[in-house]
Amino acid sequence: QSALTQPASVSGSPGQSIAISCIGTSSDIGSYNLVSWYQQHPGEAPKLMIYEDTKRPSGVSDRFSGSKSGNTASLTISGLRAEDEANYYCCSYAGPNSFVVFGGGTKLTVL
Amino acid sequence: DVQLVESGGDIVQPGESLRLSCAASGFTFSDYWMHWVRQAPGRGLMWVSYVKNDASGTGYADSVKGRFTISRDNTRGTLSLQMNNLRVEDTAVYYCARGGVDSAFDVWGQGIMVTVSS
Repeated sequence: QSALTQPASVSGSPGQSIAISCIGTSSDIGSYNLVSWYQQHPGEAPKLMIYEDTKRPSGVSDRFSGSKSGNTASLTISGLRAEDEANYYCCSYAGPNSFVVFGGGTKLTVL
Repeated sequence: DVQLVESGGDIVQPGESLRLSCAASGFTFSDYWMHWVRQAPGRGLMWVSYVKNDASGTGYADSVKGRFTISRDNTRGTLSLQMNNLRVEDTAVYYCARGGVDSAFDVWGQGIMVTVSS
């Protein structure tokens, strides 16, 4: 199962909004409403930010939102803050054999 | 607090075996699927394996199938990963993760390093 496709890097200034895309196929993103997004700061474990395409776990800021159209999912971060600078990974359920597939990760730089 | 703590990481040679453990606390362990996810140095995340909450089923990534075995002890609240015939490409930080809603991973351990090198 091929990895989902994410841009290697995105950047934005404090207060701005950015979006990170995640391109999959009809076998993963396009077949299930099960895209999740993870934030990972250097040297730390990943943290769940979005699940089931658009839902936020308790405690995650509402500045983070998820969306999906066809085979492409997106994570939008509004009101950028310095602490948002991290790597972000998308993930999609891909069926009972592959279970999940991750994207290659996107490094967010807050200028 | 909900917590996962991995142990057992080491430096081994290709072909050798290693067993990782993950101790869970702060939640009812037997209610959740559990997973191992790894991250090679400087690389992205890769799902490795799952075990259902009652240990009735398991799944593996193709790259580890036949070499790795996941197991759990619900009485002790522990998850294990037996890794045999290790390869250089298995070098990674291994995370224990709790299966949340559907396929999401909602709690992660701090990770444990496994290095396979001659």
